[in-house]
Amino acid sequence: DAGVIQSPRHEVTEMGQEVTLRCKPISGHDYLFWYRQTMMRGLELLIYFNNNVPIDDSGMPEDRFSAKMPNASFSTLKIQPSEPRDSAVYFCASSFLVRNEQFFGPGTRLTVL
Amino acid sequence: QKEVEQNSGPLSVPEGAIASLNCTYSDRGSQSFFWYRQYSGKSPELIMSIYSNGDKEDGRFTAQLNKASQYVSLLIRDSQPSDSATYLCAVLERADGLTFGKGTHLIIQP
Repeated sequence: DAGVIQSPRHEVTEMGQEVTLRCKPISGHDYLFWYRQTMMRGLELLIYFNNNVPIDDSGMPEDRFSAKMPNASFSTLKIQPSEPRDSAVYFCASSFLVRNEQFFGPGTRLTVL
Repeated sequence: QKEVEQNSGPLSVPEGAIASLNCTYSDRGSQSFFWYRQYSGKSPELIMSIYSNGDKEDGRFTAQLNKASQYVSLLIRDSQPSDSATYLCAVLERADGLTFGKGTHLIIQP
């Protein structure tokens, strides 16, 4: 298995632009998680899906952030409009069951200028 | 507000010694506990999972869980320079997503 796949690996954009991050979970995993990691706040859960349905989005910082999972093999995290404080590494992870181990993708390093 | 606390370090340990990493959590309903290792610039990778009180051993790694005291620890025996990384403690409460500590930076001195 190729593991969790994320794209792009690096993204540099200017304030106000729309940013879309992509994730392909491990085949057969029913849970998909989006995290954000910064030095100040550590690794924070933004939202997670079960069988393509959003279960908990309480970690999404504000309405500028949205996430979708149109099918079992693809999810997007969108930021519109982006701001400099959104600069972070965004990880996608997947697991078979919610209580099981989560496997992380390589992350997307986002820089908003 | 669920909290997972770790000493940020750095924790410096001589090569060959035992490294001891600790983590406390606030939610008594927590049921699953994980240790992840993260090298600089890389993604977290799972080291150990533990679900019941006691010790769980896997090679040079031992996870210890004490639900009554709400702490979980990770012991690394025969520490190697390649063990130098940030170790993240993660806790799962019921059906919620994982809550991560901010990690302990471990340095193994050759």
